[in-house]
Amino acid sequence: DQQVKQNSPSLSVQEGRISILNCDYTNSMFDYFLWYKKYPAEGPTFLISISSIKDKNEDGRFTVFLNKSAKHLSLHIVPSQPGDSAVYFCAASMNYGGSQGNLIFGKGTKLSVKP
Amino acid sequence: GAGVSQSPSNKVTEKGKDVELRCDPISGHTALYWYRQSLGQGLEFLIYFQGNSAPDKSGLPSDRFSAERTGGSVSTLTIQRTQQEDSAVYLCASSLSRLNAEAFFGQGTRLTVV
Repeated sequence: DQQVKQNSPSLSVQEGRISILNCDYTNSMFDYFLWYKKYPAEGPTFLISISSIKDKNEDGRFTVFLNKSAKHLSLHIVPSQPGDSAVYFCAASMNYGGSQGNLIFGKGTKLSVKP
Repeated sequence: GAGVSQSPSNKVTEKGKDVELRCDPISGHTALYWYRQSLGQGLEFLIYFQGNSAPDKSGLPSDRFSAERTGGSVSTLTIQRTQQEDSAVYLCASSLSRLNAEAFFGQGTRLTVV
């Protein structure tokens, strides 16, 4: 059963507009969340993360929001640029509790930013 | 180099053969992960090493899969008697420690079983 879900396999956005990528999780023990970006034929690259003690983390054009009660997080990219076109993976981890340290990934959302 | 290095970058093998995939993590990183990505799928966790602790093997899909990490550095993922469903991109990642989940990925090994 999937513990991290990205229900939208793809998203198309116009350049300059906001991209919102969503992620849901089922395990309340997750306490650290990350977003990765992946271009074809390359490994995923870390984008931004958030600890469960926060509800927002911002880095330039990228902002991650965490709603613990809803077990939901989202990545906002504004303004979107054509170079942002990639597959975005949401990941979760139990950093401070439990026995797991591995990252659990969603299936990804393919973002296309059109000029 | 400064990043995670994987070899080979591509591997084509015949069904039933054994393969070994290698990962050189970033120097000083104590945590090492193996994932695979099948066509059209997400990243599937395989195995996780953290320092000298026993590895978390809970993601290995069958007993044909095994992995070692020698000296807390280089790791080898071995697939015995390969099957066509093993075809995927195998990704290795490393991170500073268990408390830093920001993992850095290699470019992956594309395995094709014919």
